[in-house]
Amino acid sequence: GAVVSQHPSRVICKSGTSVKIECRSLDFQATTMFWYRQFPKQSLMLMATSNEGSKATYEQGVEKDKFLINHASLTLSTLTVTSAHPEDSSFYICSGGTGDSPLHFGNGTRLTVT
Amino acid sequence: KQEVTQIPAALSVPEGENLVLNCSFTDSAIYNLQWFRQDPGKGLTSLLLIQSSQREQTSGRLNASLDKSSGRSTLYIAASQPGDSATYLCAVRTSYGKLTFGQGTILTVHP
Repeated sequence: GAVVSQHPSRVICKSGTSVKIECRSLDFQATTMFWYRQFPKQSLMLMATSNEGSKATYEQGVEKDKFLINHASLTLSTLTVTSAHPEDSSFYICSGGTGDSPLHFGNGTRLTVT
Repeated sequence: KQEVTQIPAALSVPEGENLVLNCSFTDSAIYNLQWFRQDPGKGLTSLLLIQSSQREQTSGRLNASLDKSSGRSTLYIAASQPGDSATYLCAVRTSYGKLTFGQGTILTVHP
């Protein structure tokens, strides 16, 4: 089946630094990539939607200058958490798809900001 | 705005029981509904996907039903096993691709 590879799986960084999370679609072209965030014991909340070659659309309450999304190719999308703070500690997960085809999820990234 | 609610929030059952997880959504204009399994600290595993035109899907011991008009779906797990212990998430998809997730049901099956 289709695979989305997400890296890193875990990252610990100091407050004020930036962290980049990558999602690669290995055997399909992801025209659309969705980025979700999941706080402990809560469900997944959509942060933003990106379409290849265009700017991401952010959900209400998500700071676009803090969470930079790049979707420059059909197989790679990145999320950069800039100037990370402890409250950004969360589980970040991407999912990709083409058109109305089923979405495929990465395995997630556990971010801990100290 | 689409809202998805899952009941119960947590469920603890002895091994071998049949059980039902419930999911409801507020906007019936969905493209499909999907059930996922999430193990602690892990990503999502897709269990069943029901298109809006379908009434149910089955895979092994799992059966999911969809009543779009009433905004409800159920996930039925037959003969539960300790390995079924996980969080089960229901998500609905609009035609624009967004998935809206419920809060999940934490299932514990004890031997």
